[in-house]
Amino acid sequence: EAGVTQFPSHSVIEKGQTVTLRCDPISGHDNLYWYRRVMGKEIKFLLHFVKESKQDESGMPNNRFLAERTGGTYSTLKVQPAELEDSGVYFCASSQAGGPIGEQFFGPGTRLTVL
Amino acid sequence: KNQVEQSPQSLIILEGKNCTLQCNYTVSPFSNLRWYKQDTGRGPVSLTIMTFSENTKSNGRYTATLDADTKQSSLHITASQLSDSASYICVVRWTTDSWGKFQFGAGTQVVVTP
Repeated sequence: EAGVTQFPSHSVIEKGQTVTLRCDPISGHDNLYWYRRVMGKEIKFLLHFVKESKQDESGMPNNRFLAERTGGTYSTLKVQPAELEDSGVYFCASSQAGGPIGEQFFGPGTRLTVL
Repeated sequence: KNQVEQSPQSLIILEGKNCTLQCNYTVSPFSNLRWYKQDTGRGPVSLTIMTFSENTKSNGRYTATLDADTKQSSLHITASQLSDSASYICVVRWTTDSWGKFQFGAGTQVVVTP
């Protein structure tokens, strides 16, 4: 069974440009999460999808970030326009069960560098 | 404020030796605590998940303990191997609804040397 995949693995863009990150969860997982790790800091929650609906987007930094999950399958996270402080590693995770013990499976992450 | 503090920040151990990592949290209301292993360039991989009522949980050479009264957890690595070199992250789940939220620690970087 394929794990969570993310594309691209690395992205280097200039300030002001747009970048779109993609996450393909494990097949059948209704829950999809986006996280971000800024260098030197802990991983922080961005948002949580249940199927195609946003269950919790309280971690989204500002309106330059837009997440979508078309048809409850893959998800995209768009940053427009990108700022220097957006640099970091963006992780996606999925889980089958959304309850307290639901185990999350993480993707390898997308390393975003904004110059 | 919900926080998860891990110590030490990093450590170096000789292959075959044991080590213990610490995690203190102030997260409330507590749901469960997870330890993850993150290899360089990879996503975190779950090692253990413990609820309020569980004191100890093992996964091979990894043993996690939880003291919900003092809000402390530890991860013990027995007979370390070179492949144990990684970042170990403590994550506490707290619940204000049926879904809950996650608070991550900054991780402990473990280097196992031959």
